[in-house]
Amino acid sequence: AQTVTQSQPEMSVQEAETVTLSCTYDTSESDYYLFWYKQPPSRQMILVIRQEAYKQQNATENRFSVNFQKAAKSFSLKISDSQLGDAAMYFCAYRRVGGGADGLTFGKGTHLIIQP
Amino acid sequence: KAGVTQTPRYLIKTRGQQVTLSCSPISGHRSVSWYQQTPGQGLQFLFEYFSETQRNKGNFPGRFSGRQFSNSRSEMNVSTLELGDSALYLCASSRSMAGETQYFGPGTRLLVL
Repeated sequence: AQTVTQSQPEMSVQEAETVTLSCTYDTSESDYYLFWYKQPPSRQMILVIRQEAYKQQNATENRFSVNFQKAAKSFSLKISDSQLGDAAMYFCAYRRVGGGADGLTFGKGTHLIIQP
Repeated sequence: KAGVTQTPRYLIKTRGQQVTLSCSPISGHRSVSWYQQTPGQGLQFLFEYFSETQRNKGNFPGRFSGRQFSNSRSEMNVSTLELGDSALYLCASSRSMAGETQYFGPGTRLLVL
């Protein structure tokens, strides 16, 4: 079974600075999807960014970008120009192409604190 | 387009009771997945429905069940509730099952006393 590991339970960054959240995963599949989701306190989970494993180009969404290293099975999220509204739990998630018996497999999450 | 909706948002039950949670997916989405979120275990996959059929199931006991209707709305049921079933139950919808992005609802927070 695949696993997703987020080694940073909590990260803190000053407003307007850049922060990188780490994620590693383990799978025997060659084709899959990776996601970063954001869950603000008492609010619903929203998609931040998605990466298809067959694409070598790293996905970007405005201030959010990923560093996808397929061989190393690493998928980090970089947030540039951090804003107070970025404070949330961030979850890294994996799903193999075609779905899969495990649905989305999530990491334990990283709690991101933005210091004003 | 309206997002994923879940009802009720909060629920308090006692041990031994059963509970039914409801999820309405985004219009046009045919796949609905359910997840349990707890502080200890994190986010765990319960099951996924597509075209009224359960396609995938996570590692949960048979007390957890669900169904999907022809309009793609889904319900999950937990029978004989245990204290450990206290959790946030999240529903997510996607167009299909093929690794499509899942969009989450606000969740139903269940407290079992």
